[in-house]
Amino acid sequence: AQRVTQPEKLLSVFKGAPVELKCNYSYSGSPELFWYVQYSRQRLQLLLRHISRESIKGFTADLNKGETSFHLKKPFAQEEDSAMYYCALSALFSGGYNKLIFGAGTRLAVHP
Amino acid sequence: NAGVTQTPKFQVLKTGQSMTLQCAQDMNHEYMSWYRQDPGMGLRLIHYSVGAGITDQGEVPNGYNVSRSTTEDFPLRLLSAAPSQTSVYFCASSDGRPPDTQYFGPGTRLTVL
Repeated sequence: AQRVTQPEKLLSVFKGAPVELKCNYSYSGSPELFWYVQYSRQRLQLLLRHISRESIKGFTADLNKGETSFHLKKPFAQEEDSAMYYCALSALFSGGYNKLIFGAGTRLAVHP
Repeated sequence: NAGVTQTPKFQVLKTGQSMTLQCAQDMNHEYMSWYRQDPGMGLRLIHYSVGAGITDQGEVPNGYNVSRSTTEDFPLRLLSAAPSQTSVYFCASSDGRPPDTQYFGPGTRLTVL
């Protein structure tokens, strides 16, 4: 079964602390994974994708196929990082098209 | 370039009423999708379309209909609203080619009484 699991509903840290938002996936094919972010009163937007191997706003995420994980990390959290974060898996759907499967989301709260 | 637009932003319905949520995009994307966002459940795919005239069901299609007569528009119809359809609805579009980057609309908050 295709599934994305984000085990933490809420992650609360202080400014300057390291952050790790966990994401595990279940997919039999070759996975394509993404992190989307939703800041307060803004629309959902792409943060980063594993295929680009990029760092956005200080966040990085490494795909670990052995552990089927795609955790999002940042060494020093900032207050403006407070948002809802969704991990998503691009899966091949019936009919030969891709769809996104989202995890339940983790709310990151960064306190001053 | 407005991206993905949705109307209305808010809507309150009574059980049994019908309505259409509008979605439009000006990026000439072939793929469009409708999701609902519920607390603790993330975003779940309702219906999607891979091009004008082609639609298919997602994970939670019951109670919803879609059509895609143009590339730009992808309306979502609630046939007979139920309280279980109280949610925030997001429309998204993408060019569909891997890796998919979905561009989301601002959402419609629907309450069914």
